[in-house]
Amino acid sequence: NAGVMQNPRHLVRRRGQEARLRCSPMKGHSHVYWYRQLPEEGLKFMVYLQKENIIDESGMPKERFSAEFPKEGPSILRIQQVVRGDSAAYFCASSPGLAPNNEQFFGPGTRLTVL
Amino acid sequence: AQKVTQAQTEISVVEKEDVTLDCVYETRDTTYYLFWYKQPPSGELVFLIRRNSFDEQNEISGRYSWNFQKSTSSFNFTITASQVVDSAVYFCALRGAQKLVFGQGTRLTINP
Repeated sequence: NAGVMQNPRHLVRRRGQEARLRCSPMKGHSHVYWYRQLPEEGLKFMVYLQKENIIDESGMPKERFSAEFPKEGPSILRIQQVVRGDSAAYFCASSPGLAPNNEQFFGPGTRLTVL
Repeated sequence: AQKVTQAQTEISVVEKEDVTLDCVYETRDTTYYLFWYKQPPSGELVFLIRRNSFDEQNEISGRYSWNFQKSTSSFNFTITASQVVDSAVYFCALRGAQKLVFGQGTRLTINP
């Protein structure tokens, strides 16, 4: 049973380009969470999605960032017109359901570097 | 609002010493979960433990032990007889409804 998959593991973009980060949840999991870890900091919640729905995006920057979790395929975190401050590790986690005690399983992260 | 504070930014000890990592949290939820994660130099997040707010029993797993005290809103983590492989950044986290709130992390260095 494969764990949470994220790709790419490393992504380099120049300022102004777009970054697309993908997350495939564990089999049977329909809830996905994205977290961002800036250098030398803890992880910060960005967005929580269920299939085809954004449930909580309170941690998402208001501009340039968007997320989706379509009925088929991985969840995508999209960053348009990247800036150097977007350089960070982006972690995805998945869980099977809503109950508070459902564990969130983390992927290995995508490290984005903006030149 | 929920908050997790790890006051120790960095700790450095010599191998075989015991070390305790502090974690203090704030929440208004009556039901919540506390976690510890390890982030080794390779960067992935390794789950260590989960504790729910109704279970104040201390837990021991090998060289690791956790002390949950609701009265002081603390969930401290002790490594006994530390080893070089324990060197990592350790995060304490709190979850109420859904999202995890992480502390800033404690960078632990175990010197041979």
